[in-house]
Amino acid sequence: DAKTTQPNSMESNEEEPVHLPCNHSTISGTDYIHWYRQLPSQGPEYVIHGLTSNVNNRMASLAIAEDRKSSTLILHRATLRDAAVYYCILRGRGGADGLTFGKGTHLIIQP
Amino acid sequence: GAGVSQSPSNKVTEKGKDVELRCDPISGHTALYWYRQSLGQGLEFLIYFQGNSAPDKSGLPSDRFSAERTGGSVSTLTIQRTQQEDSAVYLCASSAQGRSYEQYFGPGTRLTVT
Repeated sequence: DAKTTQPNSMESNEEEPVHLPCNHSTISGTDYIHWYRQLPSQGPEYVIHGLTSNVNNRMASLAIAEDRKSSTLILHRATLRDAAVYYCILRGRGGADGLTFGKGTHLIIQP
Repeated sequence: GAGVSQSPSNKVTEKGKDVELRCDPISGHTALYWYRQSLGQGLEFLIYFQGNSAPDKSGLPSDRFSAERTGGSVSTLTIQRTQQEDSAVYLCASSAQGRSYEQYFGPGTRLTVT
């Protein structure tokens, strides 16, 4: 699976939007972009995924650049419960079946 | 519905002993994964089961590690002759299909080898 690059940490205020960036310049045409998050002392939790078009679900939105070399996870109104490590992962048809987690972005929410 | 469950939640063992970790996936999920997470690190893929196909063992770190999945449901990860570097949180995940579908993770088993 292709590599992703994320900032080590980000800080935001409660009730404000949060934009978490991810660069994946070597993405292939069949790679899906997945986002997971891991709250303290818990297993990872699926957030959202997409291929080319922007995606929305109850948890977040995923904005994918036109060239697909970057994407942004958007939390529209952050709460203290959103404090977690957020992982951006590429999954391709020819890749390993297990997810390859990098270091992710540690999101800190200030009250 | 019920999520992925794992047992035990915590396990402390002496170096050299064998341990078994159990995972109950979500009912109906055909794919099951094992990962481990060392302190402050990201997840490391260990092994993947999909239906009746031969498992993908490419992530197992040594031959002391093995896993089984009986009846396409419950899975057991066995670590023989445990070493201190095996100390980690072992996470199990399941998914409805396989590669393209989201994985649902259990709470993990924290293994401490003394």
